[in-house]
Amino acid sequence: GESVGLHLPTLSVQEGDNSIINCAYSNSASDYFIWYKQESGKGPQFIIDIRSNMDKRQGQRVTVLLNKTVKHLSLQIAATQPGDSAVYFCAENPDAGGTSYGKLTFGQGTILTVHP
Amino acid sequence: NAGVTQTPKFQVLKTGQSMTLQCAQDMNHEYMSWYRQDPGMGLRLIHYSVGAGITDQGEVPNGYNVSRSTTEDFPLRLLSAAPSQTSVYFCASSLTSGSYTDTQYFGPGTRLTVL
Repeated sequence: GESVGLHLPTLSVQEGDNSIINCAYSNSASDYFIWYKQESGKGPQFIIDIRSNMDKRQGQRVTVLLNKTVKHLSLQIAATQPGDSAVYFCAENPDAGGTSYGKLTFGQGTILTVHP
Repeated sequence: NAGVTQTPKFQVLKTGQSMTLQCAQDMNHEYMSWYRQDPGMGLRLIHYSVGAGITDQGEVPNGYNVSRSTTEDFPLRLLSAAPSQTSVYFCASSLTSGSYTDTQYFGPGTRLTVL
């Protein structure tokens, strides 16, 4: 999961395993959350998002779970592949109500390494 | 579409020098923004723009200026570079400024080192 400091959390899995990446967000008023994937030397890439009126959303091989009670997000990747190796960031929109226009607050990130 | 493009990819400056990081998008997106990414930290918003002629400050605006004279371009200026500005800079854009759930598309980044 996310934590403060210079060393990113890491997760190592074997190819084919399911991966779960966690994120604790800070603002109880946030109502939009996104997961991004960042490969080495590239910009962040959108994976999946979720609104606060949902607790689960599924995409292709990915599922995001939202627990507003404890301000926790998770990203589940099914049948993890070597190409999934990257840094994964959660982001929250801190201003509910549509006035923030993309002023996202990003978490620190988690390094996912998938071993063949 | 080329998407979001950034130039240069790498840059080394001396303290006190000025430079402009270029960002362009060809998707006719209204919203554009600049982030910096430091080791062990997530991205932090520097400045953003909700349309041509309109800009505003983000979380860490000090030492940076922006302007938005066209929909396509959103340059970031460092007026007097400092070592604390050593970072990787990302530009992003999204379709509209009217929906905060619009997906943001990121450029490939500019790695800046200030000596």
